[in-house]
Amino acid sequence: EPEVTQTPSHQVTQMGQEVILRCVPISNHLYFYWYRQILGQKVEFLVSFYNNEISEKSEIFDDQFSVERPDGSNFTLKIRSTKLEDSAMYFCASSAESAIYTEAFFGQGTRLTVV
Amino acid sequence: EDKVVQSPLSLVVHEGDTVTLNCSYEVTNFRSLLWYKQEKKAPTFLFMLTSSGIEKKSGRLSSILDKKELFSILNITATQTGDSAIYLCAVVGNAGNMLTFGGGTRLMVKP
Repeated sequence: EPEVTQTPSHQVTQMGQEVILRCVPISNHLYFYWYRQILGQKVEFLVSFYNNEISEKSEIFDDQFSVERPDGSNFTLKIRSTKLEDSAMYFCASSAESAIYTEAFFGQGTRLTVV
Repeated sequence: EDKVVQSPLSLVVHEGDTVTLNCSYEVTNFRSLLWYKQEKKAPTFLFMLTSSGIEKKSGRLSSILDKKELFSILNITATQTGDSAIYLCAVVGNAGNMLTFGGGTRLMVKP
């Protein structure tokens, strides 16, 4: 069964460093998303991406965050200068159509620890 | 701002019991409501509901939506230890391409 894959599964980084979280969405999907879940808290929306541009973003997704689809398969989330409060599980998701019409499938997540 | 509230926060039952999980929401221009199961890491999709009163069913799990009263329930009959997980409710509203999640219900099924 097709699945969303994320790498790495766990990343430890020093405060102020840049990190890139990588995702390979399901191959025929057109919509891509990043969510995060701080330990013990709700899953929170960060950004959605369609047709090579951001379609929605939350207040969390400020100037230190960026997304890119550098080739036909990868979808990345970059955090430019990490802060302690960026420590969370980051989930990538994809859907064949808009979330209005169809479910999103989630990857296993990257646990980011900022020290 | 869209809001999703789930209850109870946690639930402990024994195998064979039936459970009902609740999700209420406040959403601008409601589009759909989704249930996910989160065992260790990734939320896995269970149901997507868009119309009131139509039950969706998959094995021992079923769900229904009430758009007038703004809530949904997820029922699990004859629970098994493998049903132990966090069950997440999420809605799609005016923004379209985003899910707003509730805090989840942590279900533990004891043998």
